Amino acid sequence: KAGVTQTPRYLIKTRGQQVTLSCSPISGHRSVSWYQQTPGQGLQFLFEYFSETQRNKGNFPGRFSGRQFSNSRSEMNVSTLELGDSALYLCASRNLVGNTEAFFGQGTRLTVV
Amino acid sequence: GQQLNQSPQSMFIQEGEDVSMNCTSSSIFNTWLWYKQDPGEGPVLLIALYKAGELTSNGRLTAQFGITRKDSFLNISASIPSDVGIYFCAGGSGNTPLVFGKGTRLSVIA
Repeated sequence: KAGVTQTPRYLIKTRGQQVTLSCSPISGHRSVSWYQQTPGQGLQFLFEYFSETQRNKGNFPGRFSGRQFSNSRSEMNVSTLELGDSALYLCASRNLVGNTEAFFGQGTRLTVV
Repeated sequence: GQQLNQSPQSMFIQEGEDVSMNCTSSSIFNTWLWYKQDPGEGPVLLIALYKAGELTSNGRLTAQFGITRKDSFLNISASIPSDVGIYFCAGGSGNTPLVFGKGTRLSVIA
């Protein structure tokens, strides 16, 4: 059974650009969550999608958005990139919302210059 | 956002020593999870706990779900160099997002 797949693994963007990251959850998992990880702040929750609907949202500005497709794959988009957006972005999948075991992908390392 | 209090922040131990780390919360959780993250990788689930008082082992790892449901600890026995990494606790309840601790960075000196 394949794990959670995130693409790309590494990305370098300049300030002001926008970026789209992709996540394919474990087959059969319908819940996808996104987290931002920085050295000082740990894992910060961005949002969670279940059956193409955003179920929960963290405290991030509107520049951060996401969506989920009918096959449960999810994308997150960050517009007007800032230097502080440099981080490891992690995606986690769960079997069902309410089943709390989450399985993470390898992450996308975003560097904004 | 809400975070768990995880301690210690970092540990330097000799190979072969036992390790203990813990997480506390002001909120009650129905599930406690422990993850390990290697550099440049995503966190990997080590142990999941679902009942207050539950004690669960996975090889040299043992974790417990506190009776009050507000805390959990993870022990690693006879540490080896590959135990190096960052260990995260996470608390979960129903449909709410998991809440993570800030991690314990473990370094093992051979």
